[in-house]
Amino acid sequence: EVQLLESGEGVAQPGGSLRLSCAASGFTFNDYAMSWVRQAPGKGLEWVSTIDGSGASTYYADSVQGRFTISRDNSKNTLFLLMNSLRTEDTAVHYCAKAHRAWLPKGGLDYWGRGALVTVSS
Amino acid sequence: QSVLTQPASASGTPGQRVTISCSGSSSNIERDSVYWYQQLPGTAPKLLIYGDDRRTSGVPDRFSGSKSGTSASLTISGLQSEDEGDYYCAAWDDSLNVRLFGGGTKLTVL
Repeated sequence: EVQLLESGEGVAQPGGSLRLSCAASGFTFNDYAMSWVRQAPGKGLEWVSTIDGSGASTYYADSVQGRFTISRDNSKNTLFLLMNSLRTEDTAVHYCAKAHRAWLPKGGLDYWGRGALVTVSS
Repeated sequence: QSVLTQPASASGTPGQRVTISCSGSSSNIERDSVYWYQQLPGTAPKLLIYGDDRRTSGVPDRFSGSKSGTSASLTISGLQSEDEGDYYCAAWDDSLNVRLFGGGTKLTVL
């Protein structure tokens, strides 16, 4: 059974940092791209970032480019999102999600975690 | 960066058929596959449709997807009360090199 479990949620001040983790199980982790997608309170889904299975290729939304860094540790089946220079508009539930097809980072996302709430407030 | 346009709301009565549209451009919907997600209240999104018109495992055949040019649609036939929630289209944009989500459509079953 595929499971994705986010951790690291919390409150940060504007300009501060947080790191989210996503522990994956139930599939061959390094075969699949992974993504972060967020949802601000009462709003729609916003894609944040994607990393391919090897970690060699990464993609970012303009809204987080240069501030957030996606990475993965395939030896520990874990995905990360380092968030720097946080802004109030980064307040959202952040979901990690698995690619639907192996070796296809730009495709659909078939398994999602429960989400980690990041609150940016002074 | 949301350049996929969906209606904000849709509604229908039980048993009816409802269609949700998603409008994009030649660099996303026309060029790449379209995906549809269902988000029921208080839950994480669920992938319903991939590759424009293919249902993921376990999705009832009441749900169907289609695409023509720069637009795509999700049709729900035989609407049920448990279908009430938010629906999002998504596609990769080859020009921007980003994943796009539509703004979402809130489906109400009357």
